Amino acid sequence: EAGVTQFPSHSVIEKGQTVTLRCDPISGHDNLYWYRRVMGKEIKFLLHFVKESKQDESGMPNNRFLAERTGGTYSTLKVQPAELEDSGVYFCASSQDGLSGRSYNEQFFGPGTRLTVL
Amino acid sequence: LAKTTQPISMDSYEGQEVNITCSHNNIATNDYITWYQQFPSQGPRFIIQGYKTKVTNEVASLFIPADRKSSTLSLPRVSLSDTAVYYCLVGDRYYKLSFGAGTTVTVRA
Repeated sequence: EAGVTQFPSHSVIEKGQTVTLRCDPISGHDNLYWYRRVMGKEIKFLLHFVKESKQDESGMPNNRFLAERTGGTYSTLKVQPAELEDSGVYFCASSQDGLSGRSYNEQFFGPGTRLTVL
Repeated sequence: LAKTTQPISMDSYEGQEVNITCSHNNIATNDYITWYQQFPSQGPRFIIQGYKTKVTNEVASLFIPADRKSSTLSLPRVSLSDTAVYYCLVGDRYYKLSFGAGTTVTVRA
C-alpha cells in the first residue's frame, strides 16, 4: 500500500513568489492534515480536511496560505506571496476515522516538503 | 490540550532498554496517550497508543499508571536504527496532533 506522498521534496523560491505544495494521502483516508515545522520550532498543526471540506483551519498563520482538497483526494497548499518566515518543512498526514488497527486517529505522515524562501 | 513534559535527550547503547517518561499532569478523562517517532528527513511515525495500564506491540511497550499523570515508553533492546526523536502526545481521539519538543534518543554502538 502506498503511503502519503508529497511533492516537491524541496523548493527554493524568492521572497514574494508563489509556491504550491501537493499532498497525496493514502487511498481511502477521508482525513487529511497539514503541519509545518519552521526553523528551530516544534511541529505545528495548520489545518484538517474531512474529504473536501475544511474541518479545522485554526493553525493557518495568515491569508497568504490557501489550502484546497479537490474532490476529497489530493490536497494543495499554496503560499502567495511567500515570506522569509515561511521557510520550513511542511508535512502532510492522513488518517481514517475511528479505531483503525492499533489506535484511534493514527496519522500517517508524508516525508515533508522543505521550503526555503530567500 | 494537555501539556506534556519529557526529557530533551537520552543516550543509550545497542542492546539496552530505553525508557522515556512523559509527564501530563492535566490529562483529561477523554485523552489518550500516543507516541510518535521521527527520523531525520522523515515525517513522524506512529509507535503506540494507550489509555490506561499497559500496551505492548511489536515495537514498544507503553506503561500508564492508574492516575494517568505520566506514561513511560519502553523500547526493548535498542539498535542504532532506533536513534530518533520520540514525541509524547496527549489528546482526545480526534484529529489535531500537538507536538512538543520531543526526546532525542541517541543509540551508540
